Amino acid sequence: GQQVMQIPQYQHVQEGEDFTTYCNSSTTLSNIQWYKQRPGGHPVFLIQLVKSGEVKKQKRLTFQFGEAKKNSSLHITATQTTDVGTYFCAGPAYSGAGSYQLTFGKGTKLSVIP
Amino acid sequence: DADVTQTPRNRITKTGKRIMLECSQTKGHDRMYWYRQDPGLGLRLIYYSFDVKDINKGEISDGYSVSRQAQAKFSLSLESAIPNQTALYFCATSDNLGAGAATDTQYFGPGTRLTVL
Repeated sequence: GQQVMQIPQYQHVQEGEDFTTYCNSSTTLSNIQWYKQRPGGHPVFLIQLVKSGEVKKQKRLTFQFGEAKKNSSLHITATQTTDVGTYFCAGPAYSGAGSYQLTFGKGTKLSVIP
Repeated sequence: DADVTQTPRNRITKTGKRIMLECSQTKGHDRMYWYRQDPGLGLRLIYYSFDVKDINKGEISDGYSVSRQAQAKFSLSLESAIPNQTALYFCATSDNLGAGAATDTQYFGPGTRLTVL
């Protein structure tokens, strides 16, 4: 079935450096969601993008949805140790009988070196 | 999210044993899900339920079964546990906003870490 591919799998950055994770799909997505999972925690919803070319910001986090709605990115400016965790993108995938379910990418694990 | 609870939080069992993981929610959501998380593989959907009478298989349902006892309760069973079912299991809920499940925000429980020896 349709998958959302996420890269990189791991990223180690020095505190204060920027970080970007990318999510790609072979087909057009109606929407894309981003979640964050802190170490030892559970995924928590960050944002949903719906419109082509959409850009949304949450403090130091910038989320983009591509013009063709096949890719998305999450950019963190000046990382802090509180940004540590795994970031997942999630998009709809056909699950049969006319139903679409949310399918998660494999995630990007961010480590921040103080 | 404290509105979604899972029991037990940790479980160690032996191959061949029957195991039940339970999920309860006070969010009043109709839709509930069970996911499995393995290192490097992300979150994979096992089963989902849109209401008490609706149960659907997800990507990796083999070896698992579920029961939706009430709107607030959704349990996952491993009839005969095997070592490769060792994983972190998450329950999640979402509200039916009418735009399709793939646009719902999902709210995850704290997870159950299951080890099958």
